[in-house]
Amino acid sequence: QVQLVESGGGVVQPGRSLRLSCAASGFTFRSYVMHWVRQAPGKGLEWVAVISYDGSNKNSADSVRGRFTISRDNSKNMLYLQMNSLRVEDTAVYYCARGGDGYNLWGQGTLVTVSS
Amino acid sequence: DIVMTQSPDSLAVSLGERATINCKSSQSVLYSSNNKNHLAWYQQKPGQPPKLLISWASTRESGVPDRFSGSGSGTDFTLTISSLHAEDVAVYYCQQYYSTPQTFGQGTRVEIK
Repeated sequence: QVQLVESGGGVVQPGRSLRLSCAASGFTFRSYVMHWVRQAPGKGLEWVAVISYDGSNKNSADSVRGRFTISRDNSKNMLYLQMNSLRVEDTAVYYCARGGDGYNLWGQGTLVTVSS
Repeated sequence: DIVMTQSPDSLAVSLGERATINCKSSQSVLYSSNNKNHLAWYQQKPGQPPKLLISWASTRESGVPDRFSGSGSGTDFTLTISSLHAEDVAVYYCQQYYSTPQTFGQGTRVEIK
């Protein structure tokens, strides 16, 4: 079925790295812009990063620029978020979402906890 | 960056009554080339990801009950639930996809009175 499934979350110390993955299925992945969105515990939604259909264009929020890198592998229907130099304030549920006229497909999210 | 501001932060409505949520953008999200407002509304229930309800400010997604409607243009938008059902208890977010970063409002919590 049409779905996105995130993985790779966990508990990590400040300053360390983590890579999140998002597996897409049931649709033509390479035809869609893809996003990462995060939600800190009890807080609202924060857009994190976007990548174009073919991966040639990327953009990210000021809060993560220079630390997080979005990428994709269309041959594997996979989206990634490489997170370096993690901070306590990066603690959140991270969602991948399919772009378009709004984000009409979301994964269930993966929790990243940054704590010493 | 475009700042999205929702009001109120929370509201309590009796079952069967109308709920109205407002969303204001710091600059227009009406794209002149297609004359469309790049504005979406989402519903998020506890422990679940957001669900897209409305795109282009007023276009309901397939399967979304018609008690949900969106209106507005430019910088001022409204999500209306015409007759609140128990399953509508959730947090609602507006989002602009006019420009990057594609910012969200802070959310409005809807509860039963």
